[in-house]
Parts: sequence; structure tokens; C-alpha cells
Amino acid sequence: GAVVSQHPSWVICKSGTSVKIECRSLDFQATTMFWYRQFPKQSLMLMATSNEGSKATYEQGVEKDKFLINHASLTLSTLTVTSAHPEDSSFYICSARGEGVGSDTQYFGPGTRLTVL
Amino acid sequence: EDKVVQSPLSLVVHEGDTVTLNCSYEVTNFRSLLWYKQEKKAPTFLFMLTSSGIEKKSGRLSSILDKKELFSILNITATQTGDSAVYLCAVARAGGTSYGKLTFGQGTILTVHP
Repeated sequence: GAVVSQHPSWVICKSGTSVKIECRSLDFQATTMFWYRQFPKQSLMLMATSNEGSKATYEQGVEKDKFLINHASLTLSTLTVTSAHPEDSSFYICSARGEGVGSDTQYFGPGTRLTVL
Repeated sequence: EDKVVQSPLSLVVHEGDTVTLNCSYEVTNFRSLLWYKQEKKAPTFLFMLTSSGIEKKSGRLSSILDKKELFSILNITATQTGDSAVYLCAVARAGGTSYGKLTFGQGTILTVHP
């Protein structure tokens, strides 16, 4: 149980284009999902908290107009990196926290490797 | 500002050795502490600890929390090469807009040689 999927697993795009990453909780309903990014050999940095049916809450320093988050259902959250630039290249990971699976435990998706040329 | 510090940052051992990984924290409104194992992709959940002094165990892995001294340890006995990974400690906050957010430590890179 508590499986989270992410799609795509990797993407390469040109500078200036937008990229959408999907995060799905497969076997439970996730009222809250989180988006992280991770640079090589560094820990996870929380970008934003995504609550179903409401606006995402962004961490300090994260541009909400650049990283658009939509949590339209209890099993799906999307992160769109708009007008991507090479400095946005990173490993993006989502996690989901559901009421029935241990309220503090976050289950992570497999991550999306974004490379912006 | 919340802080989670792990030590050591890296550790190299041989199969069969026992290792202890440390995690100390300074977090307002502490709720729980979690351990994750990260291999090539996303972290996989190991333990969640909320109460002091109660050991959680899963196979060769065990963990305990000390809420008075604000730290946790993760023990791995009889290590195997498959234990090679980054081990992440994270602390969850309680209350308000921070509810459920995790603050991660920088991780301990464990390498187990055959």
C-alpha cells in the first residue's frame, strides 16, 4: 500500500518551454501532497505544499508564478515549471500524505529528473 | 529556524559491521521524527517515531528517539551491500500552516563494501 507514482521519470526540454510533472497516489487518497527538489548530493528542499481543492502554499524563496501547482483531486497533483531555464534542472520529487496511512508519514514518488538545455 | 543535523555525513564499512547513524534536531512544535532510505531515486520510508524511549525495529534496522535530548539514532546490524544508500532523517512539525511539513537533515551516505 501507499504507492505514489510520478510522470515523467525524466524529461529534457529547451530553455523557455514549460514542463508538467504529475504526481499520483495510487492506492490511497492524499489530502496533502508536497513538492521537493533535490540537487546532487544534497538533501530534499521543500518547495510547496499542495492541498486538494485549495491554493498551494509555497516556501520562502520559491516563485509561485514559475512553479505552478494544481491539486485537482485527492489522487493527483501537478507541478508545472514555466519558462524553464537551465538553472531549473534538478530532481523533482513529490510526496503524499493521506489520513489513513499515518498522518505524518509522507510516501514519495520515484522523482522526475528535469534537464533544461 | 528549524534545524536537523545528521552525523556522520558519510560512513564506509564492511559487510557484517554494525553502524549507528545520528540525527539531532531543533524544531519548534515537534510532532514526530522519520527515517528514510534513499538509493538512486526517491526516499523509501523506514520508521516514524513519536515517543521517547520506544524502539522501533524492522529486521536488522532499529531506531529510537530521545525527546529530552532532541536526537534519534538509526542502527543497522550485520550490514549488507544492499544497505548502501543515503539515510535521511526528517522532523514533522505540528500545528498551523506548518502541519505535516518535513524538515530534512543533510543525510548520511553509507557505503558497505563486500
